Amino acid sequence: AQKVTQAQTEISVVEKEDVTLDCVYETRDTTYYLFWYKQPPSGELVFLIRRNSFDEQNEISGRYSWNFQKSTSSFNFTITASQVVDSAVYFCALSEARAAGNKLTFGGGTRVLVKP
Amino acid sequence: DTEVTQTPKHLVMGMTNKKSLKCEQHMGHRAMYWYKQKAKKPPELMFVYSYEKLSINESVPSRFSPECPNSSLLNLHLHALQPEDSALYLCASSHEVSGGRPGLGTDTQYFGPGTRLTVL
Repeated sequence: AQKVTQAQTEISVVEKEDVTLDCVYETRDTTYYLFWYKQPPSGELVFLIRRNSFDEQNEISGRYSWNFQKSTSSFNFTITASQVVDSAVYFCALSEARAAGNKLTFGGGTRVLVKP
Repeated sequence: DTEVTQTPKHLVMGMTNKKSLKCEQHMGHRAMYWYKQKAKKPPELMFVYSYEKLSINESVPSRFSPECPNSSLLNLHLHALQPEDSALYLCASSHEVSGGRPGLGTDTQYFGPGTRLTVL
């Protein structure tokens, strides 16, 4: 069965600090997809990134970067030079290629609080 | 334009009321989803529609009744709800479910802003 663990429930940083969110997943499928979503207080889940299991290249998008390591089943997310607008709950999610209905398994989420 | 809209934003209803949540997308997506999210928890999948047909029902109680009138619209009809049904209800859409072949591949799901439901 698939499972996603986000061990950090809440992280508090001061603006301009870097923050790394951990995500560890479990799956028996060889083809799977990993996602990160951001949920600000307004409630909408905002898609950040999708990565398939065959693409282990790290990715950078502005102040966001992702480190995918199959050897440790981790897909960690770093926010560089954090800003107050980064305050939100961040969810890591997994979908197995064989899962019916594009089913996403979410981690428990990590609440990030960026203080000015 | 990755936009999914949901109405209403907030809804308060009594246990005997009948109400509906609406979701709309104009991205040409053929898969749509309903999720329920309780406070401080991740979203939980309720229903999946693929090409306007119900594809997955995650054992949701019958007091929740989904409907997909066309490829752009998704409704969730509510009747005789309980206070524990109070939650944020999220709609999502994706290009399709596995290229039309259920169970293969995963398209990105784009979420709407949600409806905050309170059942008194």
